[in-house]
Amino acid sequence: EPEVTQTPSHQVTQMGQEVILRCVPISNHLYFYWYRQILGQKVEFLVSFYNNEISEKSEIFDDQFSVERPDGSNFTLKIRSTKLEDSAMYFCASSFRTENTEAFFGQGTRLTVV
Amino acid sequence: AQSVTQPDIHITVSEGASLELRCNYSYGATPYLFWYVQSPGQGLQLLLKYFSGDTLVQGIKGFEAEFKRSQSSFNLRKPSVHWSDAAEYFCAVVLNSGGYQKVTFGTGTKLQVIP
Repeated sequence: EPEVTQTPSHQVTQMGQEVILRCVPISNHLYFYWYRQILGQKVEFLVSFYNNEISEKSEIFDDQFSVERPDGSNFTLKIRSTKLEDSAMYFCASSFRTENTEAFFGQGTRLTVV
Repeated sequence: AQSVTQPDIHITVSEGASLELRCNYSYGATPYLFWYVQSPGQGLQLLLKYFSGDTLVQGIKGFEAEFKRSQSSFNLRKPSVHWSDAAEYFCAVVLNSGGYQKVTFGTGTKLQVIP
């Protein structure tokens, strides 16, 4: 069964460093998303991406964040200068369309900023 | 703005007992509705989904949920809980804006199963 894969599963970085979280969506999917879950809290929407453009971003998704689809298979989330409060589980998701279907979630990347 | 409410933060049930987890949503139209399960340190696994049609939805692992439009609810049920069901359960609502999907998650209900 096709699945969304995320790498790495766990990343530790120093405050102020740049990190790139990588995702390989399901191959025929067209819509891509990033979500975040701070430890002990609910999952929050960060950004949606379609046709090489951001469709919507939440207030969490400030100038420190960016997304990119550098080739036909990868979808990345970059945090330019990490802060302690960026420590969270980051989930990538993708969907083929927006109606009558669900987004498929990856297993997540746990980011720890020290 | 749409919202999802899971009023029970933590529920404890005995193994073999029945389970019902509550979920209410606030949204003008009927949204897409989902239940996800998350084991500690793990990702999100989709249990079941509702788009339209039959209001009683069957999912994986013996779970079911019933959509009640009049109550804006989508409660999750299981007739007999197993110890392996201990996890956190998230109700979710999708706003389909035509150009993208945006999943709004509830705050979750942690299920503890005792022998």
